[in-house]
Amino acid sequence: DVKVTQSSRYLVKRTGEKVFLECVQDMDHENMFWYRQDPGLGLRLIYFSYDVKMKEKGDIPEGYSVSREKKERFSLILESASTNQTSMYLCASSLVGQGAGEAFFGQGTRLTVV
Amino acid sequence: GENVEQHPSTLSVQEGDSAVIKCTYSDSASNYFPWYKQELGKRPQLIIDIRSNVGEKKDQRIAVTLNKTAKHFSLHITETQPEDSAVYFCAAKAAGNKLTFGGGTRVLVKP
Repeated sequence: DVKVTQSSRYLVKRTGEKVFLECVQDMDHENMFWYRQDPGLGLRLIYFSYDVKMKEKGDIPEGYSVSREKKERFSLILESASTNQTSMYLCASSLVGQGAGEAFFGQGTRLTVV
Repeated sequence: GENVEQHPSTLSVQEGDSAVIKCTYSDSASNYFPWYKQELGKRPQLIIDIRSNVGEKKDQRIAVTLNKTAKHFSLHITETQPEDSAVYFCAAKAAGNKLTFGGGTRVLVKP
């Protein structure tokens, strides 16, 4: 079974703090994604990476950055957390290629910025 | 970029009835259309997907249809059961790696 593991289930951070959300997958997937899930807004893509050290902006990258130093690990960084970044964050991974597609999700990190 | 719209946002059905969720997409290059189910407090999981060279796909009580000309695809759940209650997301992927999701549909199956 594919496993996508996020480092924390719940986090509470203060406004202005630098926050790291970590995600690790064990299936040698090339693609990794960070989504934000808010009620009524679905899953919005923040950033994704298709290879080590490669990254592309998603639909809502403002206020976030990412790091992919190793294939299995994809980190989401909030440089200076703000209250409007309070949300559920979901990491996912998938293969690339013609027949690939299914994204496997982590369990989510519920971040509260106070 | 790709834009995926999903309707309705909530859907209440009587147990045994059918449920239909519709999605439209904007990028004609999209070629992969998965559907995910997210139960309360759990991660989204793939329930069915369809590729652009197929018009319909069925798996037991769920089916997906795709109309590439009109750029819309739909999820059909027949003989709904209480365990079908969840949030359902459609998504679309073009030739690149970006997977774009719709806003989600909260389905409630009333016994």
